[in-house]
Amino acid sequence: GAGVSQSPSNKVTEKGKDVELRCDPISGHTALYWYRQRLGQGLEFLIYFQGNSAPDKSGLPSDRFSAERTGESVSTLTIQRTQQEDSAVYLCASSLWGVNQPQHFGDGTRLSIL
Amino acid sequence: AQSVTQLGSHVSVSEGALVLLRCNYSSSVPPYLFWYVQYPNQGLQLLLKYTTGATLVKGINGFEAEFKKSETSFHLTKPSAHMSDAAEYFCAVTQGGSYIPTFGRGTSLIVHP
Repeated sequence: GAGVSQSPSNKVTEKGKDVELRCDPISGHTALYWYRQRLGQGLEFLIYFQGNSAPDKSGLPSDRFSAERTGESVSTLTIQRTQQEDSAVYLCASSLWGVNQPQHFGDGTRLSIL
Repeated sequence: AQSVTQLGSHVSVSEGALVLLRCNYSSSVPPYLFWYVQYPNQGLQLLLKYTTGATLVKGINGFEAEFKKSETSFHLTKPSAHMSDAAEYFCAVTQGGSYIPTFGRGTSLIVHP
């Protein structure tokens, strides 16, 4: 079956522009996560959605970052007024509900800020 | 609070040699443990997981890991390394009450011919 799909795969933009990243989770996965991975680094948690519950936004680094998800479908991560330090790979993962459930990752969006 | 420590940011082995990647965790309650692999320009892929039951867990590509509660460890092993095993490996832990996994910083496995 289809895995987690992220688009675009690469995005190059100028400093100060807004960008929107998209994630299509696996059908039936109620949980959805966004992570940031800087070059050569580990995963930095950004935000977690579970069904129709209020999202856990505790990992968002600043108010320039926001994310939305409608029900159990597509999610978008928006970065406003991009800065050079926002350059990274943004990974999306989805899973079935439960702490014992593994995550399924997309291939990420590589964001480069000029 | 839970935490994950992966000893060694880089591990280098020869092709055919034993692979051992270390993961230690801290958790106040029984944890759920995962190993993921990341190949260049790809997302993470599940190798194996421990939830309950048998403490020796077998995963894909010949990897296995053993949950040792007394040592708070979940080390990943493979008897014989292959060139295609070269990748970044991440250990992760979740526990009851938190649906957000804690990831280790990752270990880069380098395989020499």
